[in-house]
Amino acid sequence: DAGVIQSPRHEVTEMGQEVTLRCKPISGHNSLFWYRQTMMRGLELLIYFNNNVPIDDSGMPEDRFSAKMPNASFSTLKIQPSEPRDSAVYFCASRTGGGSYNSPLHFGNGTRLTVT
Amino acid sequence: AQTVTQSQPEMSVQEAETVTLSCTYDTSENNYYLFWYKQPPSRQMILVIRQEAYKQQNATENRFSVNFQKAAKSFSLKISDSQLGDTAMYFCAFMKHKGGSEKLVFGKGTKLTVNP
Repeated sequence: DAGVIQSPRHEVTEMGQEVTLRCKPISGHNSLFWYRQTMMRGLELLIYFNNNVPIDDSGMPEDRFSAKMPNASFSTLKIQPSEPRDSAVYFCASRTGGGSYNSPLHFGNGTRLTVT
Repeated sequence: AQTVTQSQPEMSVQEAETVTLSCTYDTSENNYYLFWYKQPPSRQMILVIRQEAYKQQNATENRFSVNFQKAAKSFSLKISDSQLGDTAMYFCAFMKHKGGSEKLVFGKGTKLTVNP
């Protein structure tokens, strides 16, 4: 099992540029989550999908953020245009959904985004 | 909305000793799940232990155990025989089971340092 795979591991970009973060969940997991981690706010849920459908996007900060899950094995989080306050570590996580509510989240290694 | 509070931003312990990390949460739910995650300097999020609210027996995983007090809404983590590799951030997390929501809410974390 390769685990949740995120790319890139680090991203440095200039303010105003578009940033795309990528995630491949664990095969067979049907729930996928995007979290953002900062020192000030800790771990915040941005959005989550179940069976490729967005279920809760109430944590998405503003219209500059968008997320897609075109199939069960791939998801993207896009920021356009990026701003310095978007600098954070972005985690993708997946789990088996449905009735297995106690199944844990499996996290990727995160993408550290720096916007200058 | 559910909240998770970790009142100890930082703690330290001597190698081989026992340490307890505290966590309280606020919810009106009766059925829910609680988790402890570990984040070492590599920033990977690793599941340590989990507890179902309907189970009175405290969960244990080797050197890690919890003290779950449902009425007090308390979920502390005890690490016995602390090892240098236990040095990490520890996050308490809550997940409710209602209406299909799989949202996992995290506390702000406790930074644990194990000293030789």
